[in-house]
Amino acid sequence: GQNIDQPTEMTATEGAIVQINCTYQTSGFNGLFWYQQHAGEAPTFLSYNVLDGLEEKGRFSSFLSRSKGYSYLLLKELQMKDSASYLCAVREIQAGTALIFGKGTTLSVSS
Amino acid sequence: DSGVTQTPKHLITATGQRVTLRCSPRSGDLSVYWYQQSLDQGLQFLIHYYNGEERAKGNILERFSAQQFPDLHSELNLSSLELGDSALYFCASSVEGSKGGPDTQYFGPGTRLTVL
Repeated sequence: GQNIDQPTEMTATEGAIVQINCTYQTSGFNGLFWYQQHAGEAPTFLSYNVLDGLEEKGRFSSFLSRSKGYSYLLLKELQMKDSASYLCAVREIQAGTALIFGKGTTLSVSS
Repeated sequence: DSGVTQTPKHLITATGQRVTLRCSPRSGDLSVYWYQQSLDQGLQFLIHYYNGEERAKGNILERFSAQQFPDLHSELNLSSLELGDSALYFCASSVEGSKGGPDTQYFGPGTRLTVL
């Protein structure tokens, strides 16, 4: 089975940097995804990590350590529109290609 | 816009009733996934279809069933509805549904089901 933990809420100010952590426990890790979800809308794909290290994509970066069961999403130069829920999801070999989601971190960005 | 469409957008019904939710995947995607999102549980995987065949089941109740048709659209059927079934139901599609590579899932806008 899986256990995915993320902080429930975070706050930050415009222009700042924020790091959202995710820890997971799984017996057959096969990739970790980050999605962004604005209230009442569909989750949208942000990043994918399957090997250890940092993946950078514009203002967003995601890091993975498989030995520690740990990932983080780094958001730079925060904008008001980044206020959303950020979902960490893990794919397990034995579960096929379905994603197992954490409960998400609600980020509030203020001016 | 992800290219995944879902109908209806909203659905209000009574306990004990049956409803059907519809999903059309992105052009070229063979896999369809169904997820349920409630306030207390977060996004929960229900079922995965690949090219018409069931591939995996998650936390799907026996009262719920799904199928994927030859044109690759999918329907999720919910029966004997209970108050606790009120939630957002998302479908997502991906190209393959294979275990290699990211095979990113793209989500539709969801159907908000309210059971009164």
